[in-house]
Amino acid sequence: DSGVTQTPKHLITATGQRVTLRCSPRSGDLSVYWYQQSLDQGLQFLIQYYNGEERAKGNILERFSAQQFPDLHSELNLSSLELGDSALYFCASSPGQGVYNEQFFGPGTRLTVL
Amino acid sequence: AQSVTQLGSHVSVSEGALVLLRCNYSSSVPPYLFWYVQYPNQGLQLLLKYTTGATLVKGINGFEAEFKKSETSFHLTKPSAHMSDAAEYFCAVRLYNQGGKLIFGQGTELSVKP
Repeated sequence: DSGVTQTPKHLITATGQRVTLRCSPRSGDLSVYWYQQSLDQGLQFLIQYYNGEERAKGNILERFSAQQFPDLHSELNLSSLELGDSALYFCASSPGQGVYNEQFFGPGTRLTVL
Repeated sequence: AQSVTQLGSHVSVSEGALVLLRCNYSSSVPPYLFWYVQYPNQGLQLLLKYTTGATLVKGINGFEAEFKKSETSFHLTKPSAHMSDAAEYFCAVRLYNQGGKLIFGQGTELSVKP
């Protein structure tokens, strides 16, 4: 158990809908990262937050947005869902934001868009 | 652009045999290199990492990897495979000028035959 929690574990929804994925980082970790794992794209970095502020952005679609709250939990919002958004979404956390910080991964949320 | 290439999407070895999973990277700046393991229906767990210093790094579960700058490689090895090593393995790179994001290879699924 990494100490990173993600809810829900599974999510099934329809095209065009909007969902919110939640992540609670390890106690004391200030950085949160979101990754998407799909069969065709592999594991891709989406976005990073540090202490409530966006720090880095990857290949995140405009339909997707994220935020980190004062209690340091983070939410990833996916809207106007398409079939291709079906994937495993991972959250990771680390104590700081530098390259030396190990990232601890949560168990993931499996999103299925029908 | 920086990238990570894992040779072989699937590797099969016999129990007790040498495990060799290949990873090559391309980067214009010194990279920080990582190997993660993903067991079925779980998140990613860090096996080992190279940041600076000794180029041969040892990780958990008997795995080790050697950073070879001249070959831009970071291959993962284990002298003797165990059934419990069956999982998916990801090589990843992190760059000091790109914050915390990890760039992953496509993954290699390791099967261990009895």
